[in-house]
Amino acid sequence: DAGITQSPRHKVTETGTPVTLRCHQTENHRYMYWYRQDPGHGLRLIHYSYGVKDTDKGEVSDGYSVSRSKTEDFLLTLESATSSQTSVYFCAISESRYGYTFGSGTRLTVV
Amino acid sequence: GQQLNQSPQSMFIQEGEDVSMNCTSSSIFNTWLWYKQDPGEGPVLLIALYKAGELTSNGRLTAQFGITRKDSFLNISASIPSDVGIYFCAGQNSGGSNYKLTFGKGTLLTVNP
Repeated sequence: DAGITQSPRHKVTETGTPVTLRCHQTENHRYMYWYRQDPGHGLRLIHYSYGVKDTDKGEVSDGYSVSRSKTEDFLLTLESATSSQTSVYFCAISESRYGYTFGSGTRLTVV
Repeated sequence: GQQLNQSPQSMFIQEGEDVSMNCTSSSIFNTWLWYKQDPGEGPVLLIALYKAGELTSNGRLTAQFGITRKDSFLNISASIPSDVGIYFCAGQNSGGSNYKLTFGKGTLLTVNP
């Protein structure tokens, strides 16, 4: 296995509630990414991290925040979930130019 | 920002047929990658291309890095049912310490047995 796990795999939450998704890696890779996948849009970058406490925004960062206090963990938080944030969320890790390794995804439904 | 145009959006083919899909970009990339996503899973890397003009094979898959560095294609020969899935192209520029990927929107492949 690639050594990347996402939790939870599935979550249903109510509009307005905070939600945190976790990405955990055992590869000691420097770079970690959060994407969302929606029909017709492919994979869109939300936030990424290039080291502990070093993060930056992607193309669809509004409504999301991230934290990385340890190399192995990258957390994605929806401060107040909305229905437009219903999606499948993927975490990915990389160390070099050899592409990403993806987690298995978290399916989030906001009702 | 950079955008990738991937085509076709979807394909329905018979088992045994060959498949071709491609990606074009408005800007150049240093690396092209092709991923496959099975239902309910994350994308998995199939082929990585690092030099303009490079042609690389992985079993029945062949991919090429366009000479202009603005395009790439993926061919699948003699398709089988397990080829079903979504195929994504991705471009990468590794300037400095940034290895971000830009993804195409994917090609959904259906193979009829």
